[in-house]
Amino acid sequence: EVQLLESGGGLVQPGGSLRLSCGASGFTFSSYAMSWVRQAPGKGLEWVSYISAGGASTYYADSVKGRFTISRDNSKNTLYLQVNSLRAEDTAVYYCAKEDYQLPYFDYWGQGTLVTVSS
Amino acid sequence: QLVLTQSPSASASLGASVKLTCTLSSGHSSYAIAWHQQQPEKGPRYLMKLNSDGSHSKGDGIPDRFSGSSSGAERYLTISSLQSEDEADYYCQTWGTGIRGIFGGGTKLTVL
Repeated sequence: EVQLLESGGGLVQPGGSLRLSCGASGFTFSSYAMSWVRQAPGKGLEWVSYISAGGASTYYADSVKGRFTISRDNSKNTLYLQVNSLRAEDTAVYYCAKEDYQLPYFDYWGQGTLVTVSS
Repeated sequence: QLVLTQSPSASASLGASVKLTCTLSSGHSSYAIAWHQQQPEKGPRYLMKLNSDGSHSKGDGIPDRFSGSSSGAERYLTISSLQSEDEADYYCQTWGTGIRGIFGGGTKLTVL
């Protein structure tokens, strides 16, 4: 059974940083691209960042470019998102999502971790 | 520009059927999409990938009550024999060359 378990969220002041983690199990983690998707309170889904299976390619939404960094450790079956220079508008539940092997749609999701940016 | 449009809300009675719509922007009528369900206070759940010809492949454990179809730029999700647990937000997602993670605004389904 595929499982994705996020952690690392919390309350942080504007300008602060956090490192989000997503532990994966039930599939060959190193063979699949992964993404982070967020959802602000009461709002829809917003793709944030992508990393290829091997980690060589990464992409970011314009809203987070230069502030967020996605990475992965395939030996630990773990996906990361380093979030820096946080703003109030980054307040959201952050989900990790596994991509299909052939096409870039998400076929498994985690339960999310909440990041609240507030003074 | 690749955009997905969904109606903000829909409602149907317990035991009935409902058809939700996701519309692709002009010039993108051949694109496939994926449907996701998000029950209250939960993470999203992948339902199915839906091609422009109406063929679809469902995720693990998705009941037969969920089906997909297509017509032109419209992509549909039909839920039959509605149950209370079907009350949720439904999102469509698509992608393009060098573009990923394009979501519609979501449809909130109320089961009456």
